[in-house]
Amino acid sequence: EAGVVQSPRYKIIEKKQPVAFWCNPISGHNTLYWYLQNLGQGPELLIRYENEEAVDDSQLPKDRFSAERLKGVDSTLKIQPAELGDSAVYLCASSSQGDTEAFFGQGTRLTVV
Amino acid sequence: KNQVEQSPQSLIILEGKNCTLQCNYTVSPFSNLRWYKQDTGRGPVSLTIMTFSENTKSNGRYTATLDADTKQSSLHITASQLSDSASYICVVSLKAAGNKLTFGGGTRVLVKP
Repeated sequence: EAGVVQSPRYKIIEKKQPVAFWCNPISGHNTLYWYLQNLGQGPELLIRYENEEAVDDSQLPKDRFSAERLKGVDSTLKIQPAELGDSAVYLCASSSQGDTEAFFGQGTRLTVV
Repeated sequence: KNQVEQSPQSLIILEGKNCTLQCNYTVSPFSNLRWYKQDTGRGPVSLTIMTFSENTKSNGRYTATLDADTKQSSLHITASQLSDSASYICVVSLKAAGNKLTFGGGTRVLVKP
C-alpha cells in the first residue's frame, strides 16, 4: 500500500515569491493534516481536514497561507508571499476517520532566501 | 507553555547501550499517547501507541511505559544500534478536541559506534 506522498521534496525560492506543496494521502483516509516543523522541534499543526472540510485551521496564518482539499482527496498548501521565516519542513499526514493513527509523508523542505 | 515536554533534548550513547527518554504531558483527558521515530529528512513513523488504561507497550527493542497518574511516559531503547539515531517524538491525542495531536519537541538520539 502506498503511503502519504508529498511533492516536491525540496524547494528553494526567493522571499516574496509564491510556493505550493502537494499531498496525496493514503487511499481511503478521510482525515488530512498539514504540519510545519522547524529544525529541532516537533511538528505544529497548520490545518486539519475531515474530507473536504477544514475542521481546524486556527493555527494557519491566513494572511499568507491557504490550503484546499478539493474532492476530499489530494490537498495543496500555498504560501504567498513567502517570508524568510517560512523556511521549514512541511509535513502532510493522513488517518482514517475515527482512527487517530496518523501516517506521515516525507515532507517538503522549504528554503526561502 | 507546551503541553507535552520531552527530556533530554538530545543525548549521545554508545552502540549496544540502553537509554530512556522522558515525556511529561498536561493534556487531559487523552485518547492515547504514542511515540514516533523520525529519521533525518523523513516523516515521523509510529513506534508505539498506548491508551489511558495501558501502562506498557513494546515494539522490538523499544518499550514505552505510561503512568497516567503522574502524566509521564518513557521510551526505553534496549541494546541500541546505529540505526536508532533519530529524533523520538512523544505525541498525545486530545480526546476533547476531536483527537487533536499535540507533539512534544522531540529528543535527538545519536548512537555512536
